Amino acid sequence: AQSVAQPEDQVNVAEGNPLTVKCTYSVSGNPYLFWYVQYPNRGLQFLLKYITGDNLVKGSYGFEAEFNKSQTSFHLKKPSALVSDSALYFCAVRDRHQAGTALIFGKGTTLSVSS
Amino acid sequence: NAGVTQTPKFRILKIGQSMTLQCTQDMNHNYMYWYRQDPGMGLKLIYYSVGAGITDKGEVPNGYNVSRSTTEDFPLRLELAAPSQTSVYFCASSYGPRQGKGTDTQYFGPGTRLTVL
Repeated sequence: AQSVAQPEDQVNVAEGNPLTVKCTYSVSGNPYLFWYVQYPNRGLQFLLKYITGDNLVKGSYGFEAEFNKSQTSFHLKKPSALVSDSALYFCAVRDRHQAGTALIFGKGTTLSVSS
Repeated sequence: NAGVTQTPKFRILKIGQSMTLQCTQDMNHNYMYWYRQDPGMGLKLIYYSVGAGITDKGEVPNGYNVSRSTTEDFPLRLELAAPSQTSVYFCASSYGPRQGKGTDTQYFGPGTRLTVL
């Protein structure tokens, strides 16, 4: 069965410091991997995705994520956090051979950036 | 493009009442989805549709029904509301594999917050 784990319910970072939000996955085939962000009382916004190619994926708002097949991980990173990055972050996965099917989401990680 | 729109934004229902959550997208996406989000649980798929006239169950379909008469609209129906259906509901859409866009990134609406008392 496909699954996604986000081991940290909350990550606290000081503004200007690098941030990492962790994600590991389990999927039967080769994965498509996604990160979404949710601001309070808003819908999910797409940040970035890994389909194939370079393991380092760059996305919106200065975020990037690194696909590591051996560790089955897809951690979200940003070199310098902003207070405005504070939000709920979701990692999601699907098998690349199941085109158009629903994503499997992790439980989410709340990122809190302090000034 | 307005993207994915949902109405209403908020609703309070009494046990046993029924309602329809509306979802519309203007991106010509073949695929549409309904998820529910419960605190600390991530998002769970309720139903999805791969095109007009075609729908299928997701992980948590009990207590819900859907229809897809047009490409744009994908309403979600609650027939007999129960407290367990208190949640935030998100509609999403994406291109399907036969649309030749090379991507099936899902785009989400703003959500409907439903409380059943």
